[in-house]
Amino acid sequence: DGGITQSPKYLFRKEGQNVTLSCEQNLNHDAMYWYRQDPGQGLRLIYYSQIVNDFQKGDIAEGYSVSREKKESFPLTVTSAQKNPTAFYLCASSMTGGFSNQPQHFGDGTRLSIL
Amino acid sequence: SQQGEEDPQALSIQEGENATMNCSYKTSINNLQWYRQNSGRGLVHLILIRSNEREKHSGRLRVTLDTSKKSSSLLITASRAADTASYFCATDATGGGNKLTFGTGTQLKVEL
Repeated sequence: DGGITQSPKYLFRKEGQNVTLSCEQNLNHDAMYWYRQDPGQGLRLIYYSQIVNDFQKGDIAEGYSVSREKKESFPLTVTSAQKNPTAFYLCASSMTGGFSNQPQHFGDGTRLSIL
Repeated sequence: SQQGEEDPQALSIQEGENATMNCSYKTSINNLQWYRQNSGRGLVHLILIRSNEREKHSGRLRVTLDTSKKSSSLLITASRAADTASYFCATDATGGGNKLTFGTGTQLKVEL
């Protein structure tokens, strides 16, 4: 079954610690995205990558970093510079980057909390 | 920034009734998409309507788009308890290159 796998499902961060959220897809999609969702809110774009070895900042990139070394993987690091990291993080992919009229496919999210 | 704003924020109906949710947005778009999110899960794509389309159907779903009013509606007919979820509209702005901007969502509860 093709899809997007996010891990872990729950993650706890201590003050001053960096944590990395995993996102893997086997859909052979070029584009991948990271969103943050706060309670009762919509999704906000953190970073996106239209093709391997390339990525761009979204609307709320401060305190986050990403890499895209492989087509199927797009890990997100929440750094200690992100002062309010508690949120639900969602990873998504779409077939090609930069072209409209494509749905995005989502993983089941990682819930990050502060200890 | 949130481009789409859904209305109402919450909706409670009885099974078998129709549910209508509205979305307003601010800029020119290539398309508008509707997604569903069950509690604690990821989003599931429901339907995509392009800027040159006015209405689209998929099973019990009917979506309309009025680009002159910058608004869209999602109608779920003959609702079921399994339709209980949050529903989000997302816009792909002109020149956005498939970057979606999501609204704040409508929380739908379908009671037996």
